[in-house]
Amino acid sequence: EDKVVQSPLSLVVHEGDTVTLNCSYEVTNFRSLLWYKQEKKAPTFLFMLTSSGIEKKSGRLSSILDKKELFSILNITATQTGDSAIYLCAVAGGTSYGKLTFGQGTILTVHP
Amino acid sequence: DVKVTQSSRYLVKRTGEKVFLECVQDMDHENMFWYRQDPGLGLRLIYFSYDVKMKEKGDIPEGYSVSREKKERFSLILESASTNQTSMYLCASRSGGAKNIQYFGAGTRLSVL
Repeated sequence: EDKVVQSPLSLVVHEGDTVTLNCSYEVTNFRSLLWYKQEKKAPTFLFMLTSSGIEKKSGRLSSILDKKELFSILNITATQTGDSAIYLCAVAGGTSYGKLTFGQGTILTVHP
Repeated sequence: DVKVTQSSRYLVKRTGEKVFLECVQDMDHENMFWYRQDPGLGLRLIYFSYDVKMKEKGDIPEGYSVSREKKERFSLILESASTNQTSMYLCASRSGGAKNIQYFGAGTRLSVL
């Protein structure tokens, strides 16, 4: 059975802090790992990672994948209150092409 | 921009009622998905569809069925709603091929009383 585990499950920080969110996986026929941000609406796509060691970056957010150790991290530097959200990690693989297996999500709260 | 629209943001139904959740996408995507989201459990796949009239069970299909009569529309049906189906339901779509990015609707929060 495919499995994706995120940690921590929740995190409370102050504006300006740097946070690291973790995602580990056990998936058959790995294709890619995706990160989403979910505020009080639709999850929005952040990154898709397919190769180890190549950092994806967008503003203050960055992510990297380690296919040998089967994990990914999402870093957010200089956090802002607008970063408060649920961050979802998902892996594409398994026996059904296109199916995503999601982790539990990390609830990030950024206080002013 | 991809747009995935779910017909209702909030829905309240009674136990035993038949419930229809509708989802429409405007990008001619081949694949569509229904998830439910519960605290601490993340998103769990209920059903998905590769093409019109094609459907495949996800991880938790019990108590649900789906319909895809047109490419842009994917419906989730609760034949006889139960209180344990109270949840947030999210629809997603994805183009075929190698791209694995799914695009989500805003969700329907269903309460079954």
